Amino acid sequence: AQSVTQPDIHITVSEGASLELRCNYSYGATPYLFWYVQSPGQGLQLLLKYFSGDTLVQGIKGFEAEFKRSQSSFNLRKPSVHWSDAAEYFCAVGAGQAGTALIFGKGTTLSVSS
Amino acid sequence: KAGVTQTPRYLIKTRGQQVTLSCSPISGHRSVSWYQQTPGQGLQFLFEYFSETQRNKGNFPGRFSGRQFSNSRSEMNVSTLELGDSALYLCASSTRAWDRVLSNEQFFGPGTRLTVL
Repeated sequence: AQSVTQPDIHITVSEGASLELRCNYSYGATPYLFWYVQSPGQGLQLLLKYFSGDTLVQGIKGFEAEFKRSQSSFNLRKPSVHWSDAAEYFCAVGAGQAGTALIFGKGTTLSVSS
Repeated sequence: KAGVTQTPRYLIKTRGQQVTLSCSPISGHRSVSWYQQTPGQGLQFLFEYFSETQRNKGNFPGRFSGRQFSNSRSEMNVSTLELGDSALYLCASSTRAWDRVLSNEQFFGPGTRLTVL
């Protein structure tokens, strides 16, 4: 069955430090992968997406992610975290017809300490 | 360009009642998907409508239904509400080309917070 696993429920990072959020997927075909961010009381905002091609994708707000097929992973990274990055982060894989049925991981809550 | 709008933003209902939620997609987007978000189950896909037809369906009981109109606006209905239906219901729209994935980025609305008492 298709699934997405985010092993870390909660991560705390110091402001200015680097960040890596982990995501592993299980999907039979070529995956369409996404990272979304959700601030409290808000909807979801797309950070970046992978459909094909270059396995290192750049997104908004200085985020990037690397697709590793051999490890079934799509980890999100940022070299220097800002206090405004504190939020919940979701990894998702596109499933179903046209990949429009997103299967989400349980999310990782990021706290930023000063 | 206006984003995805959802109405109402908040709803309080009692068990056994039914509820209808509305979603207006971004202009030009023909695909609308619905998701349920709860603390316990996280984000779960309900269904997707494209060109007024349901194209994908998640694993929810038949009490959850939806439809899409010719202007791409979508409604979601939940009948015989249960306490466990309390959740944030998110709608997302995207451009979509039948069975091909293009740049199938889904844009999410702010959600409707449903509380069932």
